[in-house]
Amino acid sequence: IQLTQSPSFLSASVGDRVTITCRASQGINSYLAWYQQKPGKAPKVLIYAASTLQRGVPSRFSGSGSGTEFTLTISSLQPEDFATYYCQQLNSYPPGYSFGQGTKLEIK
Amino acid sequence: EVQLVESGGGLVQPGGSLRLSCAASGFTVSSNFMSWVRQAPGKGLEWVSVIYSGGSTYYADSVKGRFTISRDYSKNTLYLQMNSLRGEDTAVYYCAREGRDSGAFGAFDIWGQGTMVTVSS
Repeated sequence: IQLTQSPSFLSASVGDRVTITCRASQGINSYLAWYQQKPGKAPKVLIYAASTLQRGVPSRFSGSGSGTEFTLTISSLQPEDFATYYCQQLNSYPPGYSFGQGTKLEIK
Repeated sequence: EVQLVESGGGLVQPGGSLRLSCAASGFTVSSNFMSWVRQAPGKGLEWVSVIYSGGSTYYADSVKGRFTISRDYSKNTLYLQMNSLRGEDTAVYYCAREGRDSGAFGAFDIWGQGTMVTVSS
């Protein structure tokens, strides 16, 4: 199963509401997670199980979706949110995990 | 404090071998689903391998037959033995814990800082 994120690049301003989409090549379970990665750092989980906010993550981040389409929304961009975002799923068979190709969020 | 610390990266010639280590603190490696994830320079994340708490192991097709994941209970450490290395294996390698027991089923809730592996002559 392939995960395709759109857009691959996104330019936005502080205060904007942005949405990133992750589409699966076929229907997947709801074990879909979102990560934020900043240059030179390890990824950090934001959302798991499609819509559950990880402890400590600001509430401006939210996730939704099911089946083949999932979204990550940032309600009001803050300067520290400019980073690359990845979706990731838990595969049923063969066992393993898959990542989307990433969405780079840049300052306009 | 719950953390993972990788070591063992470096420069290796094509065809060579390297063993990465990932030392855990604050939790038990053997009680968790532990993975290796890599990131080639300027590229996205690629899952490499997982070892389940029960001991089952699985690999991405790109490394199957060349890499071996293992763990040491007494040292609370995860390993990745990499053989027959190729240029396309050049990447930062992260170890990561799947957060089943902490509620984050299917997601990697704890990551190491990464260790760089460069395969070049």
